[in-house]
Amino acid sequence: QKEVEQNSGPLSVPEGAIASLNCTYSDRGSQSFFWYRQYSGKSPELIMFIYSNGDKEDGRFTAQLNKASQYVSLLIRDSQPSDSATYLCAVDSGNTPLVFGKGTRLSVIA
Amino acid sequence: DAGVIQSPRHEVTEMGQEVTLRCKPISGHDYLFWYRQTMMRGLELLIYFNNNVPIDDSGMPEDRFSAKMPNASFSTLKIQPSEPRDSAVYFCASSFGGGTEAFFGQGTRLTVV
Repeated sequence: QKEVEQNSGPLSVPEGAIASLNCTYSDRGSQSFFWYRQYSGKSPELIMFIYSNGDKEDGRFTAQLNKASQYVSLLIRDSQPSDSATYLCAVDSGNTPLVFGKGTRLSVIA
Repeated sequence: DAGVIQSPRHEVTEMGQEVTLRCKPISGHDYLFWYRQTMMRGLELLIYFNNNVPIDDSGMPEDRFSAKMPNASFSTLKIQPSEPRDSAVYFCASSFGGGTEAFFGQGTRLTVV
């Protein structure tokens, strides 16, 4: 059974701070890793994906992957109240549907 | 492209009634997924199709649930009879390839009273 674990939160950070969201996965063969953001009452939308070990930066967002530790994280720099949402980690292990974690709820306090 | 389109957006029905949820995937996508989301269980995969063929329905909770994909541009998820514990948000998603980014529809919020 492929599993993706996330801390449910809520994670509260002050505006302007760095928010760090973490995710672990069970399938060592996993190849692709995705971060989705879901605002309350809305559908999940992709914000980052990463395939290789190391960091990938896109604006205020940085995805970090460590396959040896089976760990992927998302850093949000200069957090804004508009970043308040639930962040879902999703993992692919080949040509199969993504397996989603239950998500971490982030609250950015102005 | 308009994205994945689901209907209805909201559905309130009485226990025992049949409910049909509809989905139009993004044109050209060869995978279609039906998910259910609740606070307790998060996002659960119910069933997925590849080129209109059901591949894995092991996530369908009971025989009361069924899904079809008669063509590349349309899929339905049917619950018959519905029960209060089926209340959830049901998402349809599609992708080009099985392990790639999935694009989600706006979801159908189902309430069974």
